[in-house]
Amino acid sequence: AQSVTQLDSHVSVSEGTPVLLRCNYSSSYSPSLFWYVQHPNKGLQLLLKYTSAATLVKGINGFEAEFKKSETSFHLTKPSAHMSDAAEYFCVVSGASGTYKYIFGTGTRLKVLA
Amino acid sequence: DTGVSQDPRHKITKRGQNVTFRCDPISEHNRLYWYRQTLGQGPEFLTYFQNEAQLEKSRLLSDRFSAERPKGSFSTLEIQRTEQGDSAMYLCASSLAGGPEQFFGPGTRLTVL
Repeated sequence: AQSVTQLDSHVSVSEGTPVLLRCNYSSSYSPSLFWYVQHPNKGLQLLLKYTSAATLVKGINGFEAEFKKSETSFHLTKPSAHMSDAAEYFCVVSGASGTYKYIFGTGTRLKVLA
Repeated sequence: DTGVSQDPRHKITKRGQNVTFRCDPISEHNRLYWYRQTLGQGPEFLTYFQNEAQLEKSRLLSDRFSAERPKGSFSTLEIQRTEQGDSAMYLCASSLAGGPEQFFGPGTRLTVL
């Protein structure tokens, strides 16, 4: 069985400070892991993905994440938050043999303070 | 734009009515997924197709729900005798078989009064 836990439902940061959104996963298979962002009334946009290549993954808009198998974590970071980063972020695990269906976390709402 | 499209974007209906949503995937994608997202939650898997075959259905998909993909291209999701608990965003995604990355449509927001 696969599951993903987003450890914080809400995160607030000041503009220009680092962002850390935490995600732990559980998977019986070698997982693929993703981070998606959802702005209000917008669709899901892929930020980055891990599919068993490099463990440090760089995504769009300055985001990156590191796959740590020993800690079963895939935390999302950004060195400097921008007001436009305010949104809902979802960590996703996939890779169940044959299906590739997504298992989503419950989401982390990022608030960026001016 | 050649992304995933969904129609309608919004649907308001009365309890007990039937509704049908449509999803058009990226043209070369042979896998199509449906998810449901309720307020404040992450999307939950409902069902998926490879070409025209429906290969898996979640236990969330009650007997009132039916999905089809008759020619392996677009898909429809029908909900019969809608209930207020069906109010949610219904998301469609498509992918290439064997590839983990899915591409999402904008969703259909259903409100059942």
